[in-house]
Amino acid sequence: EAGVAQSPRYKIIEKRQSVAFWCNPISGHATLYWYQQILGQGPKLLIQFQNNGVVDDSQLPKDRFSAERLKGVDSTLKIQPAKLEDSAVYLCASSLGRGLESFGEQYFGPGTRLTVT
Amino acid sequence: DAKTTQPNSMESNEEEPVHLPCNHSTISGTDYIHWYRQLPSQGPEYVIHGLTSNVNNRMASLAIAEDRKSSTLILHRATLRDAAVYYCTAPGNLIFGKGTKLSVKP
Repeated sequence: EAGVAQSPRYKIIEKRQSVAFWCNPISGHATLYWYQQILGQGPKLLIQFQNNGVVDDSQLPKDRFSAERLKGVDSTLKIQPAKLEDSAVYLCASSLGRGLESFGEQYFGPGTRLTVT
Repeated sequence: DAKTTQPNSMESNEEEPVHLPCNHSTISGTDYIHWYRQLPSQGPEYVIHGLTSNVNNRMASLAIAEDRKSSTLILHRATLRDAAVYYCTAPGNLIFGKGTKLSVKP
């Protein structure tokens, strides 16, 4: 079974530029998550989708970050404009999303390492 | 405001058991406890989860305290490939603390 796919794996941009990340979850997984992981810290949830609806985006900096999950399958996360503090690894994860138990059993992609200069 | 507490680091010898503790004192009755590990330059990997009873799978065992305010991930025989950062998540399953960095010595 294919895992969670993410692209690109690495991206270097200058501050104030825009960037987009793509994620394709495991087939059949209804729930998709985007996390930000700053070096030395644990992943921080940015947004959670259930099918194509947003469940939780309370920690998403909405003035510069946006995310969508069209058709309830793959998803894109965009940053515009980027700041230096956005340098981090952006992780996508998915889960079956049926019941409390399965929400926590998440499968993560390899992540996209973003460097903002 | 982290909702789980784990030691920053632990060390083990190869082929010895490792007990990784986690405190989750604010856990509710319906919160599952999940454990993940993250190898260098990789995304987190699901390890195990449980609600009340102890759980075993091919990777590890999970021992949950009777009051559910703490749990312990048990690696029965540590290998060099087990060197990673281990996270427990609870309550809510979507909050990761800083985790425990496990080092395994040959």
